[in-house]
Amino acid sequence: GDSVTQMEGPVTLSEEAFLTINCTYTATGYPSLFWYVQYPGEGLQLLLKATKADDKGSNKGFEATYRKETTSFHLEKGSVQVSDSAVYFCALSMNTGFQKLVFGTGTRLLVSP
Amino acid sequence: GAVVSQHPSWVICKSGTSVKIECRSLDFQATTMFWYRQFPKQSLMLMATSNEGSKATYEQGVEKDKFLINHASLTLSTLTVTSAHPEDSSFYICSASRGLGDTQYFGPGTRLTVL
Repeated sequence: GDSVTQMEGPVTLSEEAFLTINCTYTATGYPSLFWYVQYPGEGLQLLLKATKADDKGSNKGFEATYRKETTSFHLEKGSVQVSDSAVYFCALSMNTGFQKLVFGTGTRLLVSP
Repeated sequence: GAVVSQHPSWVICKSGTSVKIECRSLDFQATTMFWYRQFPKQSLMLMATSNEGSKATYEQGVEKDKFLINHASLTLSTLTVTSAHPEDSSFYICSASRGLGDTQYFGPGTRLTVL
């Protein structure tokens, strides 16, 4: 079945460091891909998405590019802030309505001053 | 905007009792609501999808009679865990969307512990 694999955390970085969180997927077709973020005590929020190959999603300084050849959707940010500390989930959806999401296990990011 | 709340945020109950969890969309009408379950260090697993006024569609392996879902209005869905057992202890998360193609907006989750 369809699945998402992300790197285990926690990822610990100093402020202003470069961030990469790896995400790869397995799917029978061409899914839409998402990154969600969960801040402490809050629900998951959509961070960015890409719906076709070579699309780049971006938001709040984060970006991820849909790579069909490597079945990947790695999340990057050039300079992290303490406020970026959260859990990040990679997810895919196989239908155009984005109704059924398949999630990865989440990666906790800890950014220290 | 697009805020989803869950109540309670945590609950402890005895084995054999039933527990109801509420999911509300506070500032929008949710045509579709979803219920997920999350085990420690594991991903969110979709349990069921419900459309307002219709019966919920359950994912394979999810017991309909154990996890009762009601979506009686455009702002409220409930999940009732019936005759709960310790193996039902988990983190339950709901989400809501305005319809096909819309982003899912997630609640903060409910931690259920069954003793």
